[in-house]
Amino acid sequence: GAVVSQHPSRVICKSGTSVKIECRSLDFQATTMFWYRQFPKKSLMLMATSNEGSKATYEQGVEKDKFLINHASLTLSTLTVTSAHPEDSSFYICSARPIGLAGGNNEQFFGPGTRLTVL
Amino acid sequence: LAKTTQPISMDSYEGQEVNITCSHNNIATNDYITWYQQFPSQGPRFIIQGYKTKVTNEVASLFIPADRKSSTLSLPRVSLSDTAVYYCLVGDKNYGGSQGNLIFGKGTKLSVKP
Repeated sequence: GAVVSQHPSRVICKSGTSVKIECRSLDFQATTMFWYRQFPKKSLMLMATSNEGSKATYEQGVEKDKFLINHASLTLSTLTVTSAHPEDSSFYICSARPIGLAGGNNEQFFGPGTRLTVL
Repeated sequence: LAKTTQPISMDSYEGQEVNITCSHNNIATNDYITWYQQFPSQGPRFIIQGYKTKVTNEVASLFIPADRKSSTLSLPRVSLSDTAVYYCLVGDKNYGGSQGNLIFGKGTKLSVKP
């Protein structure tokens, strides 16, 4: 099956530092990748849609200058949390949508998530 | 934007069949219905997807009535390892595009007891 990896799986950083999270589709190509965040016992919240070769589309309330997204290739998207603060501590999950799906077909493959803790 | 409603939680015992129903009254003509499973501290895992009638795979069945305003995920003979949160999603159709945004609701927390 299609596999999506994330790196790192867990990161602890000091307040004010920046953290980069990588999302890779290992055996398929994806022009579109998605970034979610999930707080404890809550549902996933879509942060942004990452499109290869173009700017990401951010959901309302998500600061694009704080959460920098780069989709450099058909298999890699990165999320950088800039100047991280304790309230940014969360579980960040990416997903990838394989090329060629029909408009209404919303099958996505999710990465294992990255646990970010900001001290 | 199609919104889904499903029970917050369900309890079951090992070996039972579990049916989780999801309402999506505003589903669009081209939208698919997809169910995901999520274990704690893991990314969601695709379970099954359908458009209408019935779909069955090796882990579950999905029943969709003719009006498509609801769907039921059926898990046969659940085990302890099926304890997870189950999300019902309907595709957010991007007219003229193929973004396929997924909007997660609160999901159903299934607890399977021995």
